[in-house]
Amino acid sequence: AQSVAQPEDQVNVAEGNPLTVKCTYSVSGNPYLFWYVQYPNRGLQFLLKYITGDNLVKGSYGFEAEFNKSQTSFHLKKPSALVSDSALYFCAVRGPSASNAGNMLTFGGGTRLMVKP
Amino acid sequence: GAVVSQHPSWVICKSGTSVKIECRSLDFQATTMFWYRQFPKQSLMLMATSNEGSKATYEQGVEKDKFLINHASLTLSTLTVTSAHPEDSSFYICSASDQGTYEQYFGPGTRLTVT
Repeated sequence: AQSVAQPEDQVNVAEGNPLTVKCTYSVSGNPYLFWYVQYPNRGLQFLLKYITGDNLVKGSYGFEAEFNKSQTSFHLKKPSALVSDSALYFCAVRGPSASNAGNMLTFGGGTRLMVKP
Repeated sequence: GAVVSQHPSWVICKSGTSVKIECRSLDFQATTMFWYRQFPKQSLMLMATSNEGSKATYEQGVEKDKFLINHASLTLSTLTVTSAHPEDSSFYICSASDQGTYEQYFGPGTRLTVT
């Protein structure tokens, strides 16, 4: 079974500084990796995904993520943080589950990003 | 882009009653929909997978008789919480898998409070 770990419950960064939200994964076979953002009392919004190809994936709102196969990591990054980026971020990997053959998402525990002015 | 709606966005019900939550894919067909549950400050936990025209399959530990799922069409799945109790209070999120791309698109969530 696949798993995702987000080692940091919260990341604090000053506005304008670069940010990194960490994610490591465990999956058999080739990983399909995703990042989502959640604002309070809202559903998840898709940011970016890695399926194959370039290890650096660019997504919405200026975010990007780097796939590192040897370190089994998929860290989310942004060169210059905005206060409006403050939200809950989830890393996810696609794989099988008890209820679905191959299209379910397993989520990490989430990381709260706080960007201070 | 693909849009998934949920109704209601929030609901308060009394203990012992049943509550139905709808999940609709507005501009695409979804053969598969997923139901998640999220407790405060926690991650999403998959409850069940709903396939159009067939019975839902549930994750281990999820009571199928308590959380009834119906996927009657390619654009609608419903989750009914039967005989709700305060411990069922949670944020319920659905997602719909695009029939063509298999991408998952998430609804805005439903906040259920059982008093």
